[in-house]
Amino acid sequence: DVKVTQSSRYLVKRTGEKVFLECVQDMDHENMFWYRQDPGLGLRLIYFSYDVKMKEKGDIPEGYSVSREKKERFSLILESASTNQTSMYLCASKSEQANTEAFFGQGTRLTVV
Amino acid sequence: GQNIDQPTEMTATEGAIVQINCTYQTSGFNGLFWYQQHAGEAPTFLSYNVLDGLEEKGRFSSFLSRSKGYSYLLLKELQMKDSASYLCAVRAGNTPLVFGKGTRLSVIA
Repeated sequence: DVKVTQSSRYLVKRTGEKVFLECVQDMDHENMFWYRQDPGLGLRLIYFSYDVKMKEKGDIPEGYSVSREKKERFSLILESASTNQTSMYLCASKSEQANTEAFFGQGTRLTVV
Repeated sequence: GQNIDQPTEMTATEGAIVQINCTYQTSGFNGLFWYQQHAGEAPTFLSYNVLDGLEEKGRFSSFLSRSKGYSYLLLKELQMKDSASYLCAVRAGNTPLVFGKGTRLSVIA
């Protein structure tokens, strides 16, 4: 079974803190993604990576950065957390083969106070 | 850009059949995915269509018409555990999936 593991299920952070969300996959997938999910807005892509040390901006990258130093790990960084970054964050990975599905982690519910 | 529309909410009766529609506008279409997401959990893959027609997988089927920019997910013999959100997602070229806002399905007795 493919496993995508996010480091925390729930997080509470203060405004202005630097926040790290970690994601690890065990299927040797080339592609990894970070989405956030908000009521009424669905899943929106923040950043993605098609290879180690490679990163691309998604639709809503402002206020975020990422790191992919190893193939299995993709980290999302909130440089200075703000209350509008309170959300559910979902990591996903997939094979580079075109017609394969993405597998999601269990999500991290981040609350910024 | 891509635009994906699906109904916000639907209600259906246990044992019945329900069809969840998804319309999309995109250039370079390269596949449509359906995911199921129970409240508080991660989305899980249900089906994939890239060619026109119907793909059947047990109680779930998915249909695609590329010329109409249209897909539907058909759920038969509904069970209470099918109460969840159903997400339609489209790929263009080799870009990441773009998701619709999801359809929340409630199955009632």
